[in-house]
Amino acid sequence: QLQLQESGPRLVKPSETLSLTCTVSGGSISSSSHYWGWIRQPPGKGLEWIGYIHYRGSTYYNPSLKSRVTISVDTSKNQVSLKLSSVTAADTAVYYCVRHAFSNGYEWVDYWSQGTLVTVSS
Amino acid sequence: DIQMTQSPSSLSASVGDRVTIICRASQNIGSYLNWYQQKPGKAPKLLIYVASSLQSGVPSRFSGSGSGTDFTLTISSLQPEDFATYYCQQSYSTLPYTFGQGTKLEIQ
Repeated sequence: QLQLQESGPRLVKPSETLSLTCTVSGGSISSSSHYWGWIRQPPGKGLEWIGYIHYRGSTYYNPSLKSRVTISVDTSKNQVSLKLSSVTAADTAVYYCVRHAFSNGYEWVDYWSQGTLVTVSS
Repeated sequence: DIQMTQSPSSLSASVGDRVTIICRASQNIGSYLNWYQQKPGKAPKLLIYVASSLQSGVPSRFSGSGSGTDFTLTISSLQPEDFATYYCQQSYSTLPYTFGQGTKLEIQ
């Protein structure tokens, strides 16, 4: 069974960079038919798609976050990482590591991590 | 961005009821529509993809329909474990992939 587990600081200061790593177990991140990405959810609010990456390196980001986001992959460690720079309190959220599945041009999120709350505060 | 609007935002129902949640897209998205269920403190779970395909392991009382701009998620006979928040998501080619604001289904 595929499992995704995030790690990284849970408290980040304003203006600094949020960094999270997701370790994938029970399957390979080097899959042609999957993208690996991040979705976040501010406390008590809805879901926001951040972006994703293919193991070959193609990346796609939410235009509203594109100037601050970097998603990368380390196939040797079966990990995907998120960096979000210049954070503010508005970036406080539960961050989910996710897998996107693709078929016949359609895509959906079929696996989610348990989620980790990252708080931006001094 | 493509805006996704769900109705109602909240809904009270009883075990055994048939429930329908509506999701409307701000432009034609074909069948690029997925549904997720989220319980408090948990990650969302995929229920329906490509508008009407049931994810493996999801009970058959869940069904999805629609195309273009109007979509529905139907639960044919509510069970106690179905009380949760439901989100639709569009995965049309235009980024970002946006979600509806959610529909909270509560016990009446």
